[in-house]
Amino acid sequence: AQKITQTQPGMFVQEKEAVTLDCTYDTSDPSYGLFWYKQPSSGEMIFLIYQGSYDQQNATEGRYSLNFQKARKSANLVISASQLGDSAMYFCAMREGITGGGNKLTFGTGTQLKVEL
Amino acid sequence: DAGVIQSPRHEVTEMGQEVTLRCKPISGHDYLFWYRQTMMRGLELLIYFNNNVPIDDSGMPEDRFSAKMPNASFSTLKIQPSEPRDSAVYFCASRGEGNQPQHFGDGTRLSIL
Repeated sequence: AQKITQTQPGMFVQEKEAVTLDCTYDTSDPSYGLFWYKQPSSGEMIFLIYQGSYDQQNATEGRYSLNFQKARKSANLVISASQLGDSAMYFCAMREGITGGGNKLTFGTGTQLKVEL
Repeated sequence: DAGVIQSPRHEVTEMGQEVTLRCKPISGHDYLFWYRQTMMRGLELLIYFNNNVPIDDSGMPEDRFSAKMPNASFSTLKIQPSEPRDSAVYFCASRGEGNQPQHFGDGTRLSIL
């Protein structure tokens, strides 16, 4: 089974609207972390936001927030007030065993977001 | 603060040649990771180091690939001999302790003709 599933290969959103990028994960480890990265067309990988499995509140970083639903094993990224510069590929990733020394990140296949005028 | 620095940004070479990719992690980061990104396979972890020691190289595709980290501020990924199927973007990433995120370099776009 895929550890990280991103079911939306592509998404469109109008400028200034909010958009939700889906991510579901599969792990039996109680200690894990979820990460979102942005990859613009220039190619670099930019860290956006992190959510730990024991965190009580959903993570937020500026216009980014993470809708963490532990029972459903989902960690959707919400981008508010979309901007043209948000057009990029977005990757969800998981690190298992985060308190026990687990170090590997497993990435999803990504969602290509296009922000339109 | 300086991020992860990779060189070269682009490399085009003929098959059979030796290729060396270089990485300088963020100062103070104890972990260094090498990834390969292709359209077919996405992002794959090749190898990672902790305190300059290779911990897991299970993602290294074959013996043609080798990686070293002679000190805390430098790592290399070498392909010898290179083949066209090695064409990809190679990323280096580093992170600190605990639940810190990995920070990626800008990548090396490698083309083997």
